Amino acid sequence: SYELTQPLSVSVALGQTARITCGGNNIGIKNVHWYQQKPGQAPVLVIYRDSNRPSGIPERFSGSNSGNTATLSITRAQAGDEADYYCQVWDSSTVVFGGGTKLTVL
Amino acid sequence: EVQLVESGGGLVQPGGSLKLSCAASGFTFSGSAMHWVRQASGKGLDWVGRIRSKADSYATEYAASVKGRFTISRDDSKNTAFLQMNSLKTEDTAVYYCTRLPSGDYYMDVWGKGTTVTVSS
Repeated sequence: SYELTQPLSVSVALGQTARITCGGNNIGIKNVHWYQQKPGQAPVLVIYRDSNRPSGIPERFSGSNSGNTATLSITRAQAGDEADYYCQVWDSSTVVFGGGTKLTVL
Repeated sequence: EVQLVESGGGLVQPGGSLKLSCAASGFTFSGSAMHWVRQASGKGLDWVGRIRSKADSYATEYAASVKGRFTISRDDSKNTAFLQMNSLKTEDTAVYYCTRLPSGDYYMDVWGKGTTVTVSS
């Protein structure tokens, strides 16, 4: 089965750029979606199809996908961006989530 | 407002059954594929399964961990999706979320707040 690998945690200084990676075999040929989840809340879609932002998501959130790695970037990181982030793809008619990355804003 | 509201969670003994509901509003439910995703306390997101729309013959797919025990269904006349869970195990303890995929696309753009299922003796 297809596996997605995310770092357990990423730290970023306030106002700097955070990058969260999602690794998978030839993930560049798949569409990758990203979700943000704050404690006690349901996940929220922040990036779909690699690099598209839903309405209401700040332009500070962006995504890219190539080769074996997809990346979620958050520029000018804010305290409110602290959350768990999950990548997601489809494989063989099933949904696959990465293990999640906890983003800490210092 | 587009909304999904789950209900039916609770405490059940191992080997027991429970049926969750997901009431949808604010969008054309009949045209959307509906998924269930769960999350054990302190753990990541775990896909449970999905049911497609009538146009796709209400086809269902399930994660290997629940196949044969869980069944997803829907009632388009009531804008509601269901998750029937049988032969429950302690490892099925989680918050269960209902989610929607936009017609023709493959990301989850709407999530419910979740309902908690606890399997324990």
